[in-house]
Amino acid sequence: QTVVTQEPSFSVSPGGTVTLTCGLSSGSVSTSYYPSWYQQTPGQAPRTLIYSTNTRSSGVPDRFSGSILGNKAALTITGAQADDESDYYCVLYMGSGNWVFGGGTKLTVL
Amino acid sequence: EVQLVESGGGLVQPGGSLRLSCAASGFTFSSYWMHWVRQAPGKGLVWVSRINSDGSSTSYADSVKGRFTISRDNAKNTLYLQMNSLRAEDTAVYYCARSNSHAADYWGQGTLVTVSS
Repeated sequence: QTVVTQEPSFSVSPGGTVTLTCGLSSGSVSTSYYPSWYQQTPGQAPRTLIYSTNTRSSGVPDRFSGSILGNKAALTITGAQADDESDYYCVLYMGSGNWVFGGGTKLTVL
Repeated sequence: EVQLVESGGGLVQPGGSLRLSCAASGFTFSSYWMHWVRQAPGKGLVWVSRINSDGSSTSYADSVKGRFTISRDNAKNTLYLQMNSLRAEDTAVYYCARSNSHAADYWGQGTLVTVSS
């Protein structure tokens, strides 16, 4: 069974930079998995930030960027703001239209 | 404007059935694959199922295979999820999502399904 791994929690200072990662329990994440990233605040639907590794969704500020770092997908937030405090989920495409979600990272800005 | 509006959630007893709907507007529904994703209270997002654009191909998470059926009516611009043999662990907010470039680009607001006696 494929397990997508994310840091359970992370903290960043206002104005700082943070990189969240998305890995596989076995193997490396590559662009072939079309990694995508989603932001969710409590009680709200997810919001799409990044798709196809590094393409920002419409309206997403350029302080959010996606990449492959080593054997993982990465979401980098530069100049963190208070309203970036959210849960962040990555998704890997597993072929045949199927997705697997990571467990999510709770980001605290303080 | 793309809109996805889920409905059909509610309280159901274990072993019961429920059908969720997702009404789509603002885009050519018949051109897009669609997904259902769920989130149990206090837990993370989990992929449930997907259907291709013309409804001829479907796929399911192991946890719902054989119990849930995804379908669509392109004439009515509506996505469905028929949920049978419901269990307590199926309690969650269910989101529909449009697929684009192997990712979700638009999400509905979700509908809550509670399985309890």
